[in-house]
Amino acid sequence: KNEVEQSPQNLTAQEGEFITINCSYSVGISALHWLQQHPGGGIVSLFMLSSGKKKHGRLIATINIQEKHSSLHITASHPRDSAVYICAVFTGNQFYFGTGTSLTVIP
Amino acid sequence: SQTIHQWPATLVQPVGSPLSLECTVEGTSNPNLYWYRQAAGRGLQLLFYSVGIGQISSEVPQNLSASRPQDRQFILSSKKLLLSDSGFYLCAWSWDRVTEQYFGPGTRLTVT
Repeated sequence: KNEVEQSPQNLTAQEGEFITINCSYSVGISALHWLQQHPGGGIVSLFMLSSGKKKHGRLIATINIQEKHSSLHITASHPRDSAVYICAVFTGNQFYFGTGTSLTVIP
Repeated sequence: SQTIHQWPATLVQPVGSPLSLECTVEGTSNPNLYWYRQAAGRGLQLLFYSVGIGQISSEVPQNLSASRPQDRQFILSSKKLLLSDSGFYLCAWSWDRVTEQYFGPGTRLTVT
């Protein structure tokens, strides 16, 4: 069993749709990261969370520590949001990574 | 501002050949540094991290080694590459282990 599970694995949306990507984890964590990997391979850190909610532009990330669950929301999705979104957790000693959610936004 | 460089961008090497990938960070001092690998169709795997010069921690046993000869330089090496070493290698830095990480552009390694 993976320490970090993401769902869905693949997601196709129409431009403008509201998107939710989920991440569940089974270990105690110090922080949770959401990363975005573009088709060329480059990775950008979107959020680092240890509690509550963060918002940056059209992106919102939430975390529920008690339920060991985080969600990444994209409002008014755009084709440029097409990428792989990766959830990663840090326990204080180790990092664990989800296998990613591949998002395709169709114009 | 801080920038992170990795080279080369792509590399094709025969099995059994040595490897040296370099990562440098500008605009910061004493960063935490990380080497990741992403095998084809698989998730990210943390290979090494370093909190300071000469301080390297390995996350998984493998055919690779890492060194940090200078504060802002992180090198990934192998004496003899295996086919299974093929993948996308990413270097990253952060202020500490619980802050956001900033990734380099990556090196795509193909071992033939």
